[in-house]
Amino acid sequence: GEDVEQSLFLSVREGDSSVINCTYTDSSSTYLYWYKQEPGAGLQLLTYIFSNMDMKQDQRLTVLLNKKDKHLSLRIADTQTGDSAIYFCAESEAGTDKLIFGTGTRLQVFP
Amino acid sequence: DAGVTQSPTHLIKTRGQQVTLRCSPKSGHDTVSWYQQALGQGPQFIFQYYEEEERQRGNFPDRFSGHQFPNYSSELNVNALLLGDSALYLCASSWGFAGEETQYFGPGTRLLVL
Repeated sequence: GEDVEQSLFLSVREGDSSVINCTYTDSSSTYLYWYKQEPGAGLQLLTYIFSNMDMKQDQRLTVLLNKKDKHLSLRIADTQTGDSAIYFCAESEAGTDKLIFGTGTRLQVFP
Repeated sequence: DAGVTQSPTHLIKTRGQQVTLRCSPKSGHDTVSWYQQALGQGPQFIFQYYEEEERQRGNFPDRFSGHQFPNYSSELNVNALLLGDSALYLCASSWGFAGEETQYFGPGTRLLVL
């Protein structure tokens, strides 16, 4: 069945790069997404990648997609304390708008 | 440009009661999806509405129902509330055909069932 997995926790020093990893199972997913959730808030769309792409860069964010291994990663360059949040990877079920989310990775940035 | 809005922001109910949550989609969007996010978990898809009809449904019981109005806003109704229904309920809106448009989420309604 469909499943999206992420590591639960990541801690980085301010100014370093953060890499958050995700594995998914539905090889027919059209899009893969990264959302950010701050405490007590909804989900903020950070970026997404179409399944026929390998990489997408958007300012400090770089998304890498390895479709063969069904592995998605989000790299945040020059991580700031404001980046501290929970990051969710999500895949879209093929042919639908249904999003399947991972359990989220809590990113903690320390000075 | 108003984003997705939801009301109320917080709600406390007791077991067995019924609740209605509301969502207004982002301007220009015609599709509304509802998700349930339990504490410490990722959001789980409940259902999606398009052209006032339920287009797709996740693995949720019939106690969960919804509606979409001609102005594309939507309601989520939950009957016979259980303690396990306590969660953050998120609404997301999008436009166009399935999978071609990204979804934008509202701030959520936090429901506590006592």
